[in-house]
Amino acid sequence: EAGVTQFPSHSVIEKGQTVTLRCDPISGHDNLYWYRRVMGKEIKFLLHFVKESKQDESGMPNNRFLAERTGGTYSTLKVQPAELEDSGVYFCASSQDGLFYEQYFGPGTRLTVT
Amino acid sequence: AQSVTQLGSHVSVSEGALVLLRCNYSSSVPPYLFWYVQYPNQGLQLLLKYTSAATLVKGINGFEAEFKKSETSFHLTKPSAHMSDAAEYFCAVSISLGYSTLTFGKGTMLLVSP
Repeated sequence: EAGVTQFPSHSVIEKGQTVTLRCDPISGHDNLYWYRRVMGKEIKFLLHFVKESKQDESGMPNNRFLAERTGGTYSTLKVQPAELEDSGVYFCASSQDGLFYEQYFGPGTRLTVT
Repeated sequence: AQSVTQLGSHVSVSEGALVLLRCNYSSSVPPYLFWYVQYPNQGLQLLLKYTSAATLVKGINGFEAEFKKSETSFHLTKPSAHMSDAAEYFCAVSISLGYSTLTFGKGTMLLVSP
């Protein structure tokens, strides 16, 4: 069974540019989460999809971040325009529906904004 | 609200020595607790989880953790370190196993020397 995949693995962009990160969850997982780790800090929750609906987006830092989940399958996280403080590793995780299923994480996308 | 404190950003041990990684949590409700490991260029992998069934939890690769409510701790141990254990370890808390976001500690890098 394929795990959670993320693309790209690394991205280096200039301040003011736009970047789109993609996450493909494990097939059949209705829950999809985005987390971010800024260097030296803890991994922090950004948002949670259940199928194509945003269940919780309380962790999104500001309106420069836009997440979508097309048809309840893959998800994208767009940062527009990117700022220096957006640099970090963005993790995606997915889980099955229900109270007892753990989250499986992807390898992350390392974003560097210069 | 939940929070996690991991004592020590880096822990160094010799191969064959005891591994002890510390985690203290704060939670307003009975918590679910997790330890994740991240090897270089890989996603976070679940080592073990506490779900209130037993206070001593055994995980993969010989790791175990004990939930101590009185101390609000969930320290991770392994009797004998292997070189392959070198990785970053994250303690996390949530209020449920599914549907719920994870709150992470800052992580502890385990260094194993020959």
